Amino acid sequence: AQTVTQSQPEMSVQEAETVTLSCTYDTSESDYYLFWYKQPPSRQMILVIRQEAYKQQNATENRFSVNFQKAAKSFSLKISDSQLGDAAMYFCAYRSLLTQGGSEKLVFGKGTKLTVNP
Amino acid sequence: EAQVTQNPRYLITVTGKKLTVTCSQNMNHEYMSWYRQDPGLGLRQIYYSMNVEVTDKGDVPEGYKVSRKEKRNFPLILESPSPNQTSLYFCASSRQNTNYGYTFGSGTRLTVV
Repeated sequence: AQTVTQSQPEMSVQEAETVTLSCTYDTSESDYYLFWYKQPPSRQMILVIRQEAYKQQNATENRFSVNFQKAAKSFSLKISDSQLGDAAMYFCAYRSLLTQGGSEKLVFGKGTKLTVNP
Repeated sequence: EAQVTQNPRYLITVTGKKLTVTCSQNMNHEYMSWYRQDPGLGLRQIYYSMNVEVTDKGDVPEGYKVSRKEKRNFPLILESPSPNQTSLYFCASSRQNTNYGYTFGSGTRLTVV
């Protein structure tokens, strides 16, 4: 079974600075999807960024980018120019492909709470 | 607007009193799932459904039931709630085998006393 590990329960960053959240995963599959979700105090789960494992190019969405290292099974999230509205819980998630015999579900890490200091 | 609608958002109940949390999606998604979120544990899957009349257990199914009689609806049933089922619950839906993430409902905060 796949597992996702977020080794930083809490992180803090100064407004306008850059922060990187770590995520590692364990899998024997060769193709899969990876995601970062943001959960603000409103508790809504918001998709931040996604990465297909077969793509070597790292995904980018405005101030959010990932460093995807497939061989190392690492998928870190970089937030540039941090804003107060970035304060939230961030979850890394893994999704199998049914075509590889995997079960259809998202496997989540335990989350990293990000605080943004003014 | 494409969305997953969960109700209620907040619920306080007593031990043993049957309850249902409803979930409905308007995106014609095949796949639907229930998760519970607990501090320090992240989100864990309770049950999922690949399509109408097809359901299966997730990682923490004990004490829960589901049904999928229509494609859009996937209710979560607690036949005899216990205090250890106090949690934040999320319903989610998705097309199968897509690189899009799941669409989540707004969550249901359940307290069992």
